Amino acid sequence: DIQMTQSPSSLSASVGDRVTITCRASQSIGKYLNWYQQKPGKAPKLLIYAASSLQSGVPSRFSGSGSGSGTDFTLTISSLRPEDFATYYCQQSYSIPYTFGPGTKLEIK
Amino acid sequence: EVQLVESGGGLIQPGGSLRLSCAASGFSVTNNYMSWVRQAPGKGLEWVSIIYTADTTYYADSVKGRFTISRDNSKNTLYLQMNSLRVEDTAVYYCVRGAIAVADPFDYWGQGTLVTVSS
Repeated sequence: DIQMTQSPSSLSASVGDRVTITCRASQSIGKYLNWYQQKPGKAPKLLIYAASSLQSGVPSRFSGSGSGSGTDFTLTISSLRPEDFATYYCQQSYSIPYTFGPGTKLEIK
Repeated sequence: EVQLVESGGGLIQPGGSLRLSCAASGFSVTNNYMSWVRQAPGKGLEWVSIIYTADTTYYADSVKGRFTISRDNSKNTLYLQMNSLRVEDTAVYYCVRGAIAVADPFDYWGQGTLVTVSS
């Protein structure tokens, strides 16, 4: 199985800050990497798919990228807004079982 | 508008069975792959099972042999039959749609249904 790790596990930031979350796969997954946002008591929401494609309706302050190795990926929020404070998960869809990272909790400083 | 509405969760004793349903609207479950993802209380997301358009199915090792995913095209509904339930199966179960896109992301999620396995 492909293991996904995320760093940091939690992050405190202020409105207006630029934030980057990192996700690493235990083996190359090409661009088969997706990012989700989850708020307390709610279902996750797709933000980014295929490492860098913005899901329809998601604000452009969210962006994703991947390294050429196919193992390292980042989610960047260019200027934090109050509604962005949530938990973020990466997920690989390269091979079954589809696995998620442990999550990064983004909190208000 | 795409909607996924789960039902069937509840409190069940260890060893019991439960069937979750997910009523889909706004699209046909035959045209997309569908999955179940669960989240134990206070924990992260765990993929559980998938059914592809050709009816191929896969399961997480943790549920293999105990859970069965299926769909009823006439009712446009996805199911998860859960047998031999364990305390560690306690979670919110989400029905999710796989997008027809690169990297097969989960583009729509239901609101979730809570399954509590406890004596």
